[in-house]
Amino acid sequence: GQQLNQSPQSMFIQEGEDVSMNCTSSSIFNTWLWYKQDPGEGPVLLIALYKAGELTSNGRLTAQFGITRKDSFLNISASIPSDVGIYFCAGPYSGGGADGLTFGKGTHLIIQP
Amino acid sequence: DAGVIQSPRHEVTEMGQEVTLRCKPISGHDYLFWYRQTMMRGLELLIYFNNNVPIDDSGMPEDRFSAKMPNASFSTLKIQPSEPRDSAVYFCASSDRNYGYTFGSGTRLTVV
Repeated sequence: GQQLNQSPQSMFIQEGEDVSMNCTSSSIFNTWLWYKQDPGEGPVLLIALYKAGELTSNGRLTAQFGITRKDSFLNISASIPSDVGIYFCAGPYSGGGADGLTFGKGTHLIIQP
Repeated sequence: DAGVIQSPRHEVTEMGQEVTLRCKPISGHDYLFWYRQTMMRGLELLIYFNNNVPIDDSGMPEDRFSAKMPNASFSTLKIQPSEPRDSAVYFCASSDRNYGYTFGSGTRLTVV
């Protein structure tokens, strides 16, 4: 099946720093999504990308759909304590149905005081 | 809107017991998904429904797992008999056609 590889697995940063993470796929995706999961909660959609090359922002978050359609990037500017959590990339699942999502293993963002 | 509601939030059960997890999707969403999250395997799609009909259950690990959606506002995921390796957080999510999943808060299952 499809695999989504996220890097880095973990990030330890200082408050105020910018953050970059990425996601690569073994196959082409037509949609990329980025989710954030807070402890004890389900993932929440941050940004959806539907077109190769697309660059979309949501406040301090910016995500890009790679030109090859096999990768995507998420940047967070001027990190704040509430940015702590796990960030997942996701794309449409290539199983029997067309509507499920495959998720990467996540990037754990930790902000050091 | 109350979002996707899952119950219970936590479940501790003994090996061999039957476990039933419940989900109420967002009204008007015609897709419902069950995911399992573990440290080792991350988020795995187990099964999903469209208009109450199971579409893809290829992610269901084995016959001990079953899911139903008797109406548009309710779904269950049942494990019978449960085993320690089933311990995980189980998420239900619902969506319309735009991949804009809304996840519930999950059920943390511990099988001892």
